Amino acid sequence: GDSVTQMEGPVTLSEEAFLTINCTYTATGYPSLFWYVQYPGEGLQLLLKATKADDKGSNKGFEATYRKETTSFHLEKGSVQVSDSAVYFCVCMEYGNKLVFGAGTILRVKS
Amino acid sequence: KAGVTQTPRYLIKTRGQQVTLSCSPISGHRSVSWYQQTPGQGLQFLFEYFSETQRNKGNFPGRFSGRQFSNSRSEMNVSTLELGDSALYLCASSPQGIGANVLTFGAGSRLTVL
Repeated sequence: GDSVTQMEGPVTLSEEAFLTINCTYTATGYPSLFWYVQYPGEGLQLLLKATKADDKGSNKGFEATYRKETTSFHLEKGSVQVSDSAVYFCVCMEYGNKLVFGAGTILRVKS
Repeated sequence: KAGVTQTPRYLIKTRGQQVTLSCSPISGHRSVSWYQQTPGQGLQFLFEYFSETQRNKGNFPGRFSGRQFSNSRSEMNVSTLELGDSALYLCASSPQGIGANVLTFGAGSRLTVL
C-alpha cells in the first residue's frame, strides 16, 4: 500500500527562523497530498493541499509543492512564530479515497 | 457554525470490556470518518460512513465497528478491548466524503485501557 515518510522531530527553532519539514510518499497513480496541523488539545486542521503535480499549496505563510519526480511534498515557512508550535502531518490520499498519514513532526518554536 | 463534536473526551476501560464513542458532524455533512492515533502506529484510518453506509474500511480487526444514523451522527464501537486499543480516536466530517472535500476533525476521544 501507499506510505508517507516525514522527517523525525521534534524540530526546535527560534522565532523568525526558516522551517522545512520533509515529506516523501510512495503511491501508485497520482494521489492528492495534504498537510494537516494539530495544535495541543485540538483535532487536526487542514493547512494546505495540492491535487496534482507541480501544484503549490499555501496558507498562513506555509507552502508546499507537489513534486512528482521526487515524490515529495516538503513543507516550508520563511519565518516561524511561537504560535506555529504544533504537530504537522503529511497526508496522502490514495486510490479509494483512503488517507495515509505520516508519523507527524513536532515543531517547537522558542521566543 | 458548530464544529465536529466527539463524546466522551476521555474514558478509561479495562481489558475485555467494550466501548462506544460518538461523533456529531457539522450540520449538513453526510460523511464521517474515524481514525486511531497512537504513539507507536501514528494516525490510521478506521472507516468512513456516508449516508448510513460504510464506504471505506481500513485494516483493523472486526472488533472495531461503526454505524451512522439518519442525522449523520456516527458511533464507533470497540469490543473485547485490548491494552493496545489505548489511543486517541478522531473523527472527521465532510459534506460529500474523503475524496471530494476537506475534512474537519473533532478534538478526539482519548481511550485508556487498563
